[in-house]
Parts: sequence; structure tokens; C-alpha cells
Amino acid sequence: AQSVTQPDIHITVSEGASLELRCNYSYGATPYLFWYVQSPGQGLQLLLKYFSGDTLVQGIKGFEAEFKRSQSSFNLRKPSVHWSDAAEYFCAVGATGTASKLTFGTGTRLQVTL
Amino acid sequence: GAGVSQSPSNKVTEKGKDVELRCDPISGHTALYWYRQSLGQGLEFLIYFQGNSAPDKSGLPSDRFSAERTGGSVSTLTIQRTQQEDSAVYLCASSRLYNEQFFGPGTRLTVL
Repeated sequence: AQSVTQPDIHITVSEGASLELRCNYSYGATPYLFWYVQSPGQGLQLLLKYFSGDTLVQGIKGFEAEFKRSQSSFNLRKPSVHWSDAAEYFCAVGATGTASKLTFGTGTRLQVTL
Repeated sequence: GAGVSQSPSNKVTEKGKDVELRCDPISGHTALYWYRQSLGQGLEFLIYFQGNSAPDKSGLPSDRFSAERTGGSVSTLTIQRTQQEDSAVYLCASSRLYNEQFFGPGTRLTVL
């Protein structure tokens, strides 16, 4: 069965500082990987996805993530955080080659201090 | 419409009553998913529909939960005899086959 671990429940960074949110997955083959962001009272917005190919993927809002098969990781990064990035971030894994359910991590809440 | 829409946005009901939650997927998306988001359980998969195939109901927590998708488009999630532990935000998503899922704003269900 697939699973996702986001070890950091809550992270606080200063505006302008760099950010890295950790995500580790468990899956028997190469997975589909996603990062979603959720602002208070809102649904989930897709930041970026990895299906295959280049292991460094670029997303919206200046985010990027790197798939590292050897570490079973898909960490999310941003070089300079903006106050509007404060939200909850979810990493998710889906089975390759199918239209199937996503398994989500427990989320990381990002707080940005000015 | 441009995105996934869900209705109602909020629903308050009394324990034991039945509720129906509606989802309108993005036009042309063949797959539709329901998830539940609650404080204690995080984001949980409930059910998904793909075209005319039998739905994957493996995430439904009990037989009080059911869902249907009419005409390959609109979906309704029904919870019978609601319990307080059903209180959560119910999220719907849709996708093209083998592509990323786009989520609606959710329905917040409160069972008193």
C-alpha cells in the first residue's frame, strides 16, 4: 500500500527566507507525486506534479520539487518565501498508469513572519 | 464552469438525518473522486468513478455512505443516518484519465 510522510507538522520562516518542506513516500514502483496547497477555508490547489522524466519539476508561484528515488523523497522548495505563501501544504502519491485515489500526507502548516 | 463546484458550501444537520452533497466536475473530465478531510483523520479517499467502469468504493467508511454519478458528470454523495463523527469537509475532485486531480472548494458538514 502506498503512504506519504510529512515529518514537519508546522514550520515558521521569515519572509524572504528560503523554504524546504519534506515529503517521503512509500510505493512499490515509480509513483505519481503531487504537492497541493490549501489556504484557510479553501480547497486544494495543485502546485506541481511529477509523473516521469526530469526529476526537478517546476510549479506555480515559484515552487519547485525534486524527486529522489534513492531517498523516496519529493521535497518542495522555494528560494524566497512571501507572506502570501502562508498555508497548509500537502504531499500526495498516486499509483502510476491509473486513474486512482491519491494518498495524502498529514500536511505541513507554513507560517510566514514579516 | 471553469472549475469543480460543490454544493452546498456548508451543511448543518441533526444526528440521524440523511444528507446529500453534490459535485459538478470540470467539463470533459472522465474521473471523479470524493475525499473527506477531518481533524483527526486528515485527507481520506472515499470513492472514485472512472467513465462507465464500476466505482472504486474501497474508502467508504461504512454502508451509510454511498455515491452515484449520473450521466458521467454530476455526482452525489449521500450519508444516511448521520453521526457526529461524520462532521468533516467533503472534497470532490475531477481529472482527465491519468492526469492530475482538480479539487472543488468542499462542503463543510456539521452534525449536531
